[in-house]
Amino acid sequence: QVQLVQSGAEVKKPGASVKVSCKASGYTFTSYGISWVRQAPGQGLEWMGWISAYNGNTNYAQKLQGRVTMTTDTSTSTAYMELRSLRSDDTAVYYCARVPRSIVVADYWGQGTLVTVSS
Amino acid sequence: EIVLTQSPGTLSLSPGERATLSCRASQSVSSSYLAWYQQKPGQAPRLLIYGASSRATGIPDRFSGSGSGTDFTLTISRLEPEDFAVYYCQQYGSSTGFTFGPGTKVDIK
Repeated sequence: QVQLVQSGAEVKKPGASVKVSCKASGYTFTSYGISWVRQAPGQGLEWMGWISAYNGNTNYAQKLQGRVTMTTDTSTSTAYMELRSLRSDDTAVYYCARVPRSIVVADYWGQGTLVTVSS
Repeated sequence: EIVLTQSPGTLSLSPGERATLSCRASQSVSSSYLAWYQQKPGQAPRLLIYGASSRATGIPDRFSGSGSGTDFTLTISRLEPEDFAVYYCQQYGSSTGFTFGPGTKVDIK
C-alpha cells in the first residue's frame, strides 16, 4: 500500500532552517511527483511547491521563492523540503503528498510534520 | 491568479441529511483540475473527488462532485457521523500550481 512517512516534529529559532523528509513506499517513486502543503494552526491549506521525482524539476509557490528548496533521493525514495530564514509565521504542520502526472492532485498524504518557530 | 471561494463557511446539519458545498473560482477552471478533499481534526487531508466528478479510490458513492467553468459543487447525499469534517476544493494551474479554497466546515447540528 502507498505510504508517505515524514520526519518528526521540529522546533527552530527565527532565522534558522528546517529540512523535512518524506519517505515513500508502496509505489514506483520516480513515476510520480511530490507536493508540499502546509497548514498554520487553525488555518487552511497552503501549497508550497512540487517536485518531479522523475527528473527533479520543481515549481515553487511565488511567496516562498528563494527560501524553499525541494529535492529527492531516488535511491531511498525520499523527498525533502528545506525552508530557510524561518519566521514565526512559518509555524505550521507541513505535509508531503504524492501527485500523479495524469490527474495532478494530491492523492496520498504523509502524516504531517509540525514545525514550530519560536525564540 | 485564480482565487477559490467556498460557501458556506460552516454548514450545520444532522446525520442523514444532504450536504451541498459550493466552490466558486474567480475565473474559469478546467474541470480536469478541480478536486475536493476532506480533513478531520489532527489528520492529513484525504482526496475525495478529482476531475470535478470522479471519486478517488475507496470513496463511498454518497460523495459526488459536479460543475464546470467557475462553479463546482460537492454533494454528500446522506451524512454519516464520520463525514463531519472540513472540506477543501483545489484547482491546479501549470504556472501557479495548486490553489486551495478556504474550506467549508460541516458540523453536527
